[in-house]
Amino acid sequence: DAGVIQSPRHEVTEMGQEVTLRCKPISGHDYLFWYRQTMMRGLELLIYFNNNVPIDDSGMPEDRFSAKMPNASFSTLKIQPSEPRDSAVYFCASSWADGKNEQYFGPGTRLTVT
Amino acid sequence: RKEVEQDPGPFNVPEGATVAFNCTYSNSASQSFFWYRQDCRKEPKLLMSVYSSGNEDGRFTAQLNRASQYISLLIRDSKLSDSATYLCAVTTGFQKLVFGTGTRLLVSP
Repeated sequence: DAGVIQSPRHEVTEMGQEVTLRCKPISGHDYLFWYRQTMMRGLELLIYFNNNVPIDDSGMPEDRFSAKMPNASFSTLKIQPSEPRDSAVYFCASSWADGKNEQYFGPGTRLTVT
Repeated sequence: RKEVEQDPGPFNVPEGATVAFNCTYSNSASQSFFWYRQDCRKEPKLLMSVYSSGNEDGRFTAQLNRASQYISLLIRDSKLSDSATYLCAVTTGFQKLVFGTGTRLLVSP
């Protein structure tokens, strides 16, 4: 079975450029989560969706970050403009609405902003 | 106080040893608890859900202590392949997980 798919796996960009990260959740999952992981702050929840609707975006650091989920099989996280402090690994995760709250992670996108 | 706290380690143990990690959480209303394993430069992978009655999966045992607000993970007969960072995660709202910063385990021959 296919797990969560993320692309690109690595992204190197210059400060000020727009970055778009992509995620395909596990088929049938109702929830999709975007996380960011850094050495300093660990794994932080940025935003999550239920049935394609954003439920909680309180973790989004600032207006430069935006996320969309146009359908059940695709989501994007966009950073515009990017800054060096955005360098991190960005993970997408998904889960069923079965009450168990078990989340399954994609391989992540390692973002470097120079 | 952080919502979820873990000893960062590293815990250095020889093969065959038994090792235990604890994780404390601050939200007494939390309902779901998990242990994830993360290898270097990889994604977190769900290791175990932690149930109120405790649960066991092979060499791994997870326990929940609601009164003292901590969860634990016990690994028996450690293998070299158990070397990884172990993250605990706790729900703070419906479907919303908060992760600890992880405990690093190094198993040596």
